[in-house]
Amino acid sequence: DIQMTQSPSSLSASVGDRVTITCQASQDISNYLNWYQQKPGKAPKLLIYDASNLETGVPSRFSGSGSGTDFTLTISSLQPEDFATYYCQHYDNVPPKAFTFGPGTKVDTK
Amino acid sequence: QLQLQESGPGLVKPSETLSLTCTVSGGSININSYYWGWIRQPPGKGLEWIGSIYYSGSTYYNPSLKSRLTISVDTSKNQFSLKLSSVTAADTAVYYCARESSHYRMDVWGKGTTVTVSS
Repeated sequence: DIQMTQSPSSLSASVGDRVTITCQASQDISNYLNWYQQKPGKAPKLLIYDASNLETGVPSRFSGSGSGTDFTLTISSLQPEDFATYYCQHYDNVPPKAFTFGPGTKVDTK
Repeated sequence: QLQLQESGPGLVKPSETLSLTCTVSGGSININSYYWGWIRQPPGKGLEWIGSIYYSGSTYYNPSLKSRLTISVDTSKNQFSLKLSSVTAADTAVYYCARESSHYRMDVWGKGTTVTVSS
C-alpha cells in the first residue's frame, strides 16, 4: 500500500506570508495527486488536481508542483480565509481504484 | 447547481449496521462521466476514503472496510447509499458523500452527517 505523509503537521503564519506544505508518497505516484482545503465544520474543497492544475474558481495564489514522490502546495500570499487544514490525496487509477489521503497540515495564525 | 445531501441515523448501536443515503439534486446521477463516493472523518482526525460507485453499479471499496461495506445506487431516486455492518466506536465519524469527476477530482461534496456509534 502507498502511504502519504505531509509536513509540517501544523504551521503558524501571518497574512501575506508565503506558505509551503509538502506531501510525500512512499513510492512513485507520477502526478496522481490532488490537494484539498478544509475549514472547521465544513466539507473539504478541491484546490489542485493532477499535482499542478488549479481547480476552476480557486484563487491563483494557490499552486501545486511535484511528481514522483515529492509534492508541494504553495500559497503565495496567505489571506485571512486561507487559515484551514490542507490534505493531499493520492488516487490509484489502476483497478482496484483507491484514494489515500495524507494526514493533513493545519495552517493557523501566528 | 449540483448539490449532494447525506441523510441517515445519527446514532447507531455497536454491532449494528450503519446506513446512509446521499441524494443528488441539480443534476443526474445517471451520467457516464462520474463516480460517486463516500469519505469519512473521525472526530479530530483526517479523511478516509470509504468507497465509490458508478451509475451502473460498479463499485470500488477501501480494502480495510471491504468485508463490512456495501455501496449501492438507485438511479430512479438519484441517490446512492452506504451500508457498513458490525460497527464499533471506531466508525464514529462525519460521513461525506462526493462526486468524483475527471482526473479523479472530488469536486462536489455534501455538507456531511455525523454518525455516532454508541449503546
